[in-house]
Amino acid sequence: EPEVTQTPSHQVTQMGQEVILRCVPISNHLYFYWYRQILGQKVEFLVSFYNNEISEKSEIFDDQFSVERPDGSNFTLKIRSTKLEDSAMYFCASGASGNTIYFGEGSWLTVV
Amino acid sequence: QQQVKQSPQSLIVQKGGISIINCAYENTAFDYFPWYQQFPGKGPALLIAIRPDVSEKKEGRFTISFNKSAKQFSLHIMDSQPGDSATYFCAASIDPGAGSYQLTFGKGTKLSVIP
Repeated sequence: EPEVTQTPSHQVTQMGQEVILRCVPISNHLYFYWYRQILGQKVEFLVSFYNNEISEKSEIFDDQFSVERPDGSNFTLKIRSTKLEDSAMYFCASGASGNTIYFGEGSWLTVV
Repeated sequence: QQQVKQSPQSLIVQKGGISIINCAYENTAFDYFPWYQQFPGKGPALLIAIRPDVSEKKEGRFTISFNKSAKQFSLHIMDSQPGDSATYFCAASIDPGAGSYQLTFGKGTKLSVIP
């Protein structure tokens, strides 16, 4: 069964450092997403990406965040200058032209 | 307006029993209501979903009941098994047609099914 893969599974970074989280969506999917889940809290939408541009973003997705699809397979989330409150599990997800969204296993980011 | 409220926060059910998780929403524009199952260390996985044109949808042991007038929907797990022990999230979205889905999640319910 095809799956969304994410790397790294866990990253520890110092406050103020840049972080790039990587995702390989399912190959024939057209819609890509990033969500995050702070420990013990609900999953929150960050951004959706379609046709090489952001289609929607939440209030959380401020200027510190950016997304990119640098090639035909990868989808990245960059946090420019990490803050303590950015510590969370970041989920990449992808979907075809429908409503089933498949999530990856997540990248756990710890900012110290 | 965008909130989805989920209860209970945690649930303990005996094996073979019925697990019931409830969600309520405020935004009447929501028209797609999925439930996700999440095991520790894994991403959420779509379990079952419903649209407001039906009041109930059943897939195996999992049933969604939907009450449009009350703006509530619930997940019923029949014959609950220890393997069902996981965190369950309800979610809601506006169906964009051909576009992307922005899911609004509930806070989750940690289900424990005891033998």
